[in-house]
Amino acid sequence: DTEVTQTPKHLVMGMTNKKSLKCEQHMGHRAMYWYKQKAKKPPELMFVYSYEKLSINESVPSRFSPECPNSSLLNLHLHALQPEDSALYLCASSQESAQGGYYGYTFGSGTRLTVV
Amino acid sequence: AQKITQTQPGMFVQEKEAVTLDCTYDTSDPSYGLFWYKQPSSGEMIFLIYQGSYDQQNATEGRYSLNFQKARKSANLVISASQLGDSAMYFCAMRDINTGNQFYFGTGTSLTVIP
Repeated sequence: DTEVTQTPKHLVMGMTNKKSLKCEQHMGHRAMYWYKQKAKKPPELMFVYSYEKLSINESVPSRFSPECPNSSLLNLHLHALQPEDSALYLCASSQESAQGGYYGYTFGSGTRLTVV
Repeated sequence: AQKITQTQPGMFVQEKEAVTLDCTYDTSDPSYGLFWYKQPSSGEMIFLIYQGSYDQQNATEGRYSLNFQKARKSANLVISASQLGDSAMYFCAMRDINTGNQFYFGTGTSLTVIP
């Protein structure tokens, strides 16, 4: 299994809703990432989990709450979002980098989120 | 400071022709990895090719090759025999120890293949 699976693929939510994005991988990768991407822009890093512990939070508003229940799963809980949070949310995973060689990220196909 | 620079916001190429997408990078770390990803309108980021800083030869993967010029800090992607399905956004990215193993992405190049 060489895939990162994200669900749902599309999500429309109101500003008072609570929803969750899910990400799953079975490649044994110990680093997992959430990215936010606006149209025609590069992905922006939100969170990094390394060995199931949050290692990087790029000053993301608290209305986004990540969770890593185990080494294969990554969730992003959404609450009280704003219309400007509408974007493509990408999950990725990777092996830890080793000296002299680097591993790329495997990305999921993303969740297109629309906040109304 | 910008670590990855892609200076071509949009490119057009005739079907079956070759095209070069530019990427320059900035790092003081002697050990780093360079990557190219393709993102079609469907949204998925598809890995294309990787070049390690210590690799002696330029990377190739099918129709994709990476023109790696270490002294100039450039890692241009060459796509040979363009196909209509190559129309997409292309992102250059770098990973080095100084960035804590994070990816730095360039701003991307939108490639359109013309029939």
